[in-house]
Amino acid sequence: GAGVSQSPRYKVAKRGQDVALRCDPISGHVSLFWYQQALGQGPEFLTYFQNEAQLDKSGLPSDRFFAERPEGSVSTLKIQRTQQEDSAVYLCASSSSGVGEQYFGPGTRLTVT
Amino acid sequence: RKEVEQDPGPFNVPEGATVAFNCTYSNSASQSFFWYRQDCRKEPKLLMSVYSSGNEDGRFTAQLNRASQYISLLIRDSKLSDSATYLCVVNPAAGNNRKLIWGLGTSLAVNP
Repeated sequence: GAGVSQSPRYKVAKRGQDVALRCDPISGHVSLFWYQQALGQGPEFLTYFQNEAQLDKSGLPSDRFFAERPEGSVSTLKIQRTQQEDSAVYLCASSSSGVGEQYFGPGTRLTVT
Repeated sequence: RKEVEQDPGPFNVPEGATVAFNCTYSNSASQSFFWYRQDCRKEPKLLMSVYSSGNEDGRFTAQLNRASQYISLLIRDSKLSDSATYLCVVNPAAGNNRKLIWGLGTSLAVNP
């Protein structure tokens, strides 16, 4: 079956530009997570949705980061006025049961120049 | 002290070897534990959950030691395809908390 998909797979943005990253979770998965992964590091939690409700956004690094999931399926992570330190892989994961059993998408590699 | 700590390695072992990784966690109230595998430039994939009684899946064995606050992963008869980074993941709280804590990963290279 279809797994988690993310688009774009690669994004190059100039400093100061806004970007939008999309995540299509596995159909029927109520939980959706966004992570940021820098090179050589483990994933860092950004935010979590249960259906359309954003239950935890404590990992978002600044108010330039915003995530939404308006209909409880597709989610978008938006980064405004990108900075070089935002360069990383942004991973989306979904889960139907159990907080640790998450299925990841391939990620979006963001490079801010 | 970091919430979840792993030896980053790399561990270089020959095919057929047995290799073990440990991961320590700081929050004694942590509820659940997992090992994920991540291949180079790929996404993490769940390898196995770690149960209090220990669990085995083929060549892989995971154990939890709550008293010493560590979990372990043992790989027997290692294959070239086991080469990857192994991430230790801890759920620090019960209830609706979904903020998993991830280790930095341990890199394994299995050599012919």
